[in-house]
Amino acid sequence: QKEVEQNSGPLSVPEGAIASLNCTYSDRGSQSFFWYRQYSGKSPELIMFIYSNGDKEDGRFTAQLNKASQYVSLLIRDSQPSDSATYLCAVSNTGGFKTIFGAGTRLFVKA
Amino acid sequence: DTAVSQTPKYLVTQMGNDKSIKCEQNLGHDTMYWYKQDSKKFLKIMFSYNNKELIINETVPNRFSPKSPDKAHLNLHINSLELGDSAVYFCASSHVAGSSYNEQFFGPGTRLTVL
Repeated sequence: QKEVEQNSGPLSVPEGAIASLNCTYSDRGSQSFFWYRQYSGKSPELIMFIYSNGDKEDGRFTAQLNKASQYVSLLIRDSQPSDSATYLCAVSNTGGFKTIFGAGTRLFVKA
Repeated sequence: DTAVSQTPKYLVTQMGNDKSIKCEQNLGHDTMYWYKQDSKKFLKIMFSYNNKELIINETVPNRFSPKSPDKAHLNLHINSLELGDSAVYFCASSHVAGSSYNEQFFGPGTRLTVL
């Protein structure tokens, strides 16, 4: 079983729609959860982090965490073509020295 | 004012050669990392350093030897390069590992091609 699993996609949504990205992880001791965005040929950049159960909203982005189900999700409202990228789910252990990344979900937002 | 910089950006070399990649961060962070991203875009941690000390070594072949001369620098030396080493190598840094929140800032990456 992979430590952090994501649907590789591609996920295609029309402009203005909600994009829903999902991630599951295997280590129940995981403490911190991150969503990074990576444009083609570029480095990953953080868009959201969460470490408590529930929802966390930042602008058009909402991260959701359910530790009992070992599930993290990212919702992107009012999707824009500029949101087209690969979204990487990342999970850190206690201490934060080791972060495991999922393989990423490619998102395409059609204008 | 590049936060995390890497050199070189591209590296093309023959099998069996030895090469180095340099990384510097000017964010004042305590922790630095090396990641390998393969052709399938899977980003895998190789090493974590905290205040120049090795913390994590993820079963990386000993042909890979990281060196941290100070907190702001983490270099990666690779001996006897193999075809399978071809990938993009990212350096990253974070403020305080050991806390719950450790956003990582990534360098631009070094694309290594072994022929």
